[in-house]
Amino acid sequence: NAGVTQTPKFRVLKTGQSMTLLCAQDMNHEYMYWYRQDPGMGLRLIHYSVGEGTTAKGEVPDGYNVSRLKKQNFLLGLESAAPSQTSVYFCASSLKRARGGTQYFGPGTRLLVL
Amino acid sequence: GDSVTQMEGPVTLSEEAFLTINCTYTATGYPSLFWYVQYPGEGLQLLLKATKADDKGSNKGFEATYRKETTSFHLEKGSVQVSDSAVYFCALDTDKLIFGTGTRLQVFP
Repeated sequence: NAGVTQTPKFRVLKTGQSMTLLCAQDMNHEYMYWYRQDPGMGLRLIHYSVGEGTTAKGEVPDGYNVSRLKKQNFLLGLESAAPSQTSVYFCASSLKRARGGTQYFGPGTRLLVL
Repeated sequence: GDSVTQMEGPVTLSEEAFLTINCTYTATGYPSLFWYVQYPGEGLQLLLKATKADDKGSNKGFEATYRKETTSFHLEKGSVQVSDSAVYFCALDTDKLIFGTGTRLQVFP
């Protein structure tokens, strides 16, 4: 049982390039999330999904797109990377969305945009 | 809107010292409260949680009590170890999980 995995672990992009971050979970969770972590700002929600085929915007969605074609995968795309998107990206999943539902996090993807 | 405020770090302690990391929150409704821990180079993992007022969450010697009257959820441990060195995040969940900015704990032998 691998839990939540993320690919890649680290990536360097030039401004304007595109990339996709992959998140996979093997816990059969309905809910999946993408966060970014920046110094002094905690984690901020980018997008989330409440089930296969559904996505919704979080707190900081601009410049990102997501897709949830399969229940176990949640993809985060950057169409045209900007230096402001340099960050550490975490994916998470949870069994339920209601109060008290524990989120399980992946190990993170460190992205540097030059 | 809903928010979490936690003490700035780093918190530097000697091994076996007592730890308190303060966390207060602002929320409409009745949130669940969490402490997550992030060890170096890893993702966050749940340390403990409390889902209603006066509940006490505990795990690995850490404790936190949900105090509705003071809107607080302070993290405590009676005797820290070097292996507790990490970043600790307080969070609340009414509809979405909202994190504090994190407090780095450094424990020296």
